[in-house]
Amino acid sequence: DAKTTQPNSMESNEEEPVHLPCNHSTISGTDYIHWYRQLPSQGPEYVIHGLTSNVNNRMASLAIAEDRKSSTLILHRATLRDAAVYYCILRDGDFGNEKLTFGTGTRLTIIP
Amino acid sequence: DTGVSQNPRHKITKRGQNVTFRCDPISEHNRLYWYRQTLGQGPEFLTYFQNEAQLEKSRLLSDRFSAERPKGSFSTLEIQRTEQGDSAMYLCASSSGTASYNEQFFGPGTRLTVL
Repeated sequence: DAKTTQPNSMESNEEEPVHLPCNHSTISGTDYIHWYRQLPSQGPEYVIHGLTSNVNNRMASLAIAEDRKSSTLILHRATLRDAAVYYCILRDGDFGNEKLTFGTGTRLTIIP
Repeated sequence: DTGVSQNPRHKITKRGQNVTFRCDPISEHNRLYWYRQTLGQGPEFLTYFQNEAQLEKSRLLSDRFSAERPKGSFSTLEIQRTEQGDSAMYLCASSSGTASYNEQFFGPGTRLTVL
């Protein structure tokens, strides 16, 4: 799996937008960009994924650079419940690549 | 609650003892995964099953580790002759479908402490 690079930690004020960056300069054409997050004392949970186009869901938005070498997870209005470790993961879209390869992620702290 | 469940949630054992963890996936999911997570690190893949077949094992899964999914439903992970380095959170996840981008649903994990 291609490698991703994320900042170790970020802070944001409550009710403000948060932009979590991820660099993946060695991404291949068939790699999907996935984001998972892990709340304290819980297993990871899926947030969003995309291939080339920007994506929106109820939890977040994913902005993908035109060259796909970087992406940004956007939380539009952070709450205290968004405090978690956020993982950016590349997954080959070809069938058979099942496992998730986590890095160390970005620990997001929300300031009340 | 129809999510992934894991038992026990916590296990304390002495070095050299055997331990077994259980994972119950979401009922219609045919794929089941085991991961291990140590403090400050992201989860590391151990193994995965499609139905009852174990299709991939990580190099992390030494011969002291064995995983089974006998009827394609629940799974067990056994660690024999535990070592202090085995202390970690053991996470189970499940997913469905044939596309590799299908999301994995994780359980709350079993925290193992080896004294």
